Amino acid sequence: SQKIEQNSEALNIQEGKTATLTCNYTNYSPAYLQWYRQDPGRGPVFLLLIRENEKEKRKERLKVTFDTTLKQSLFHITASQPADSATYLCALVATGGFKTIFGAGTRLFVKA
Amino acid sequence: GAVVSQHPSWVICKSGTSVKIECRSLDFQATTMFWYRQFPKQSLMLMATSNEGSKATYEQGVEKDKFLINHASLTLSTLTVTSAHPEDSSFYICSARAGERGGLYEQYFGPGTRLTVT
Repeated sequence: SQKIEQNSEALNIQEGKTATLTCNYTNYSPAYLQWYRQDPGRGPVFLLLIRENEKEKRKERLKVTFDTTLKQSLFHITASQPADSATYLCALVATGGFKTIFGAGTRLFVKA
Repeated sequence: GAVVSQHPSWVICKSGTSVKIECRSLDFQATTMFWYRQFPKQSLMLMATSNEGSKATYEQGVEKDKFLINHASLTLSTLTVTSAHPEDSSFYICSARAGERGGLYEQYFGPGTRLTVT
């Protein structure tokens, strides 16, 4: 069956360190993959999109990698800050598809 | 950036009543709108997809007669939860797509509506 898996355990890191979140998928052929941030009681906010033929994308302190062989995307936040504490969602749109399918998200806590 | 609004942000209703949630794209025309629901600590579950002027396409297991979706214009979609029951209590989030740009669909989310049915 098709699955998008994110680490369900919360990630706790110290301010200033790099946070790395993982998204694995099975039985999908993604056309592109997206990362969103969601704060409690709020809708997701788009962060980055990476296409199937791209290996890496950067935006300010954020970096996303995409390995279609491993069927995995990594999301990095460098020089993390307490304000980065949130849930981060991985989402993908399959090739030839139309719908965006979400993982359950990983909760990130950045301690000052 | 593109902004999507939802109204109301929260609502409490009695069992058996109907509730309407509005979703608007404020500064762009949304060719397609999506409705999701989310339970605590769980993923966003797609309920239905709607295109302006046509009937919504519902995901498997979603009752179309219970969750009425109307996409009346390129900037407005509504979700009506009919004869609400406590198990319908959830966080409902709409999303709007601006259409294809360079082969990609940019999708923007509303702030969500917390529905509590008593």
